[in-house]
Amino acid sequence: SQQGEEDPQALSIQEGENATMNCSYKTSINNLQWYRQNSGRGLVHLILIRSNEREKHSGRLRVTLDTSKKSSSLLITASRAADTASYFCATDDSSNYQLIWGAGTKLIIKP
Amino acid sequence: NAGVTQTPKFRVLKTGQSMTLLCAQDMNHEYMYWYRQDPGMGLRLIHYSVGEGTTAKGEVPDGYNVSRLKKQNFLLGLESAAPSQTSVYFCAIQTGDTEAFFGQGTRLTVV
Repeated sequence: SQQGEEDPQALSIQEGENATMNCSYKTSINNLQWYRQNSGRGLVHLILIRSNEREKHSGRLRVTLDTSKKSSSLLITASRAADTASYFCATDDSSNYQLIWGAGTKLIIKP
Repeated sequence: NAGVTQTPKFRVLKTGQSMTLLCAQDMNHEYMYWYRQDPGMGLRLIHYSVGEGTTAKGEVPDGYNVSRLKKQNFLLGLESAAPSQTSVYFCAIQTGDTEAFFGQGTRLTVV
């Protein structure tokens, strides 16, 4: 079963605008990760935030984590055409070594 | 350093045929996973392994078998392919609660 649920399912914005995606999950976690998938390719790790962290930055990416609401957000600032991809959140299931995946947000950046 | 290599990249099978997908890693990670991804969907875990000689079932194991005789290789077998197994298959590796690394995928069509 999938624990993470991304919102929105699809997002289309103009180049240069900021894109925000949200992820909700159901159980306690050790960490939450965000990945990007370009069409037909493997997933690429973007950022990992641990349960005792509230915010993390990496270049144009900003991730927040609210464990009380069991939710996370990924903000991509100053979007570029190359950011067009699907974005997935994944939470760890420390009881059986699995990452639990959401269904993803499809992001389209219009030039 | 190739990371995670999946072979083959593409395959067309007839219903009832068998095949084996190979995942090879050169990063010495303990955990290896096989996922399937259907159009517009997230990842669903088929089987995984937490070490050489060990395997475990994931969310959708029926119709698949796996083996991990060597730490660096994780094999996914389809004994009697069905059209419902048409999908893109991804292998991933991970150690502990860190980021996962993915192969580029195998696109399988069963006719």
